[in-house]
Amino acid sequence: GQQLNQSPQSMFIQEGEDVSMNCTSSSIFNTWLWYKQDPGEGPVLLIALYKAGELTSNGRLTAQFGITRKDSFLNISASIPSDVGIYFCAGQSGADDMRFGAGTRLTVKP
Amino acid sequence: ETGVTQTPRHLVMGMTNKKSLKCEQHLGHNAMYWYKQSAKKPLELMFVYSLEERVENNSVPSRFSPECPNSSHLFLHLHTLQPEDSALYLCASSQGVQETQYFGPGTRLLVL
Repeated sequence: GQQLNQSPQSMFIQEGEDVSMNCTSSSIFNTWLWYKQDPGEGPVLLIALYKAGELTSNGRLTAQFGITRKDSFLNISASIPSDVGIYFCAGQSGADDMRFGAGTRLTVKP
Repeated sequence: ETGVTQTPRHLVMGMTNKKSLKCEQHLGHNAMYWYKQSAKKPLELMFVYSLEERVENNSVPSRFSPECPNSSHLFLHLHTLQPEDSALYLCASSQGVQETQYFGPGTRLLVL
């Protein structure tokens, strides 16, 4: 099936810096989701986007559903050490068409 | 606390063993899923259940056998696994099959 291209694969940043990651696809999705996974745990939903062009914030996190419905980005502002983890995007257009990106591994140096 | 629990959290088994993974959701959802997560690879959907009926089986080997006795519980029965089956197995649930999925903490499986 069609994979999502998530970039970057990893990021090493200093505490306080802003972070940006994105996902692109050649397929159109009805929903874009962003999850965070801590080591040894399952993914936890951060933000869900349901409409093209939608911009949604959750604290220091902001995500947008691309106008073309083929991409999405996630921004984290003023990063803190507990932001460390793997961030996954997911695009969904039906029960049998939910795709995940390979993840962006974020490291935050104090 | 996501409302989806999985047991055991860690499992080590030999290739001739039979074991089962359990997932329970306390969210009142109607759909449940099994995923396999291997290192540096995207999540792989294995099985989808909606209202206790299997609606998706993504060419998963028969050594993995799912069971959904009711909408709150999902099992994955394992037998004669291979070392390459070692991975994190994640359960998820959603209100309906096209709704947002919520994940459990996963079972870390090691096959020796």
